[in-house]
This record gives sequence, C-alpha cells and structure tokens, in this order.
Amino acid sequence: DTEVTQTPKHLVMGMTNKKSLKCEQHMGHRAMYWYKQKAKKPPELMFVYSYEKLSINESVPSRFSPECPNSSLLNLHLHALQPEDSALYLCASSQGRSNQPQHFGDGTRLSIL
Amino acid sequence: DQQVKQNSPSLSVQEGRISILNCDYTNSMFDYFLWYKKYPAEGPTFLISISSIKDKNEDGRFTVFLNKSAKHLSLHIVPSQPGDSAVYFCAAKRGTYKYIFGTGTRLKVLA
Repeated sequence: DTEVTQTPKHLVMGMTNKKSLKCEQHMGHRAMYWYKQKAKKPPELMFVYSYEKLSINESVPSRFSPECPNSSLLNLHLHALQPEDSALYLCASSQGRSNQPQHFGDGTRLSIL
Repeated sequence: DQQVKQNSPSLSVQEGRISILNCDYTNSMFDYFLWYKKYPAEGPTFLISISSIKDKNEDGRFTVFLNKSAKHLSLHIVPSQPGDSAVYFCAAKRGTYKYIFGTGTRLKVLA
C-alpha cells in the first residue's frame, strides 16, 4: 500500500477543460513534488514545495498551476492542456531534510483529447 | 542532456543468480544516489540509497556500490527472485530537492 495517495487514477479531458489532480500524504513529510512521466522515459521534475512554499518550478508552462493548501496536500490545476501533455503525473513526498528518499504515489494517467 | 544514464534498457537473469544494474552520471555536484523499483500501474518504490561520502551500502539482498572517480553506481541483487522483475530507476540528487532520474532498466528474473 502506497502512503502517498493520488486521485484520480485516470483522467480524460478536452483541451478546453479545467481539472485538478490531487495528492495527499500523512507521513509528516514537508517536501512535496510533481513529476511528469512519458512512456519509456524517466520521471521529470515539474514542481517542488518545501514547507508549503514553492521552491522549484522547472520552467513548466503556466497551463499547469500547482497549489499546496497545507503540509499534507498538493494539487495540480490543469487548464487548456495540449495533447502532448498526456502522460503519467506522479506525486512524491520526502522529509524535507537533505539525503532523504522520496515516496511516490501511483500516479494519475492523464489523456488529453 | 541526460545527466543520469542507464545504458542497458533490459536485463534477464536466472532465479537465484546475481542481478547487476548499472548507472552512470555526469554531474559531480550530485551528493546522494537512490535506486527505485517500478511495477506497471504503480509509482516508483524506494529500494536503497547511498551518500556520496560512502562507496557501499547494503540492505538485505540489495547492495549499492558507488565509484565517484568513474561517476558510476551499481545495484546488486543477490539472490534474484522472480518478484524482482520490474523496471529499476537510478536517481541522483543535487541540492536539497532536485532529483534526476535515469532512463530505467527492465529486469526479468527467469524461474
């Protein structure tokens, strides 16, 4: 059982839709991450929140908007996505101190029509 | 610019034998290295890690070796079991939060 929970598991949306991906952890971790993974490629870092503040934005297009309402929750708001944004979106968390492993959720499989 | 590379996309090993997965990196600023295992339809699961100040870390059947001069790390699994069949990713950390993943190696353990 994963300790990082992502919802929904699958999402199909049109290019004009607005939707959100959700991630929750109850391990007391203070760093949370969004990754994007395309087929047969490694996960690519998108955003990092540390102590509920945005620490890293890897030049992600503004149609992706992250939000960290509290230390347990992480959202990714989606608007006007493109077909090439279809991918597996992974959330992870870590303790927030250096040299600690990340714990991943099972991801949301996103398809853009 | 792939800073972390796994040059073998796949590996097949007989049950009970040793599996050796390799990973090369280019950035000397990486200070922490990890191995993850990924089954289909699941997120990556942390296996084992090593700090850049060490050259070996062992946890049960899993051992990670780090050769800093060669910028190379490897994961040894002994003995290999069919349940070990999965995609294995190495990852390297720079700074507090920046983790870079390799391209993955699909391990198949044959019964």
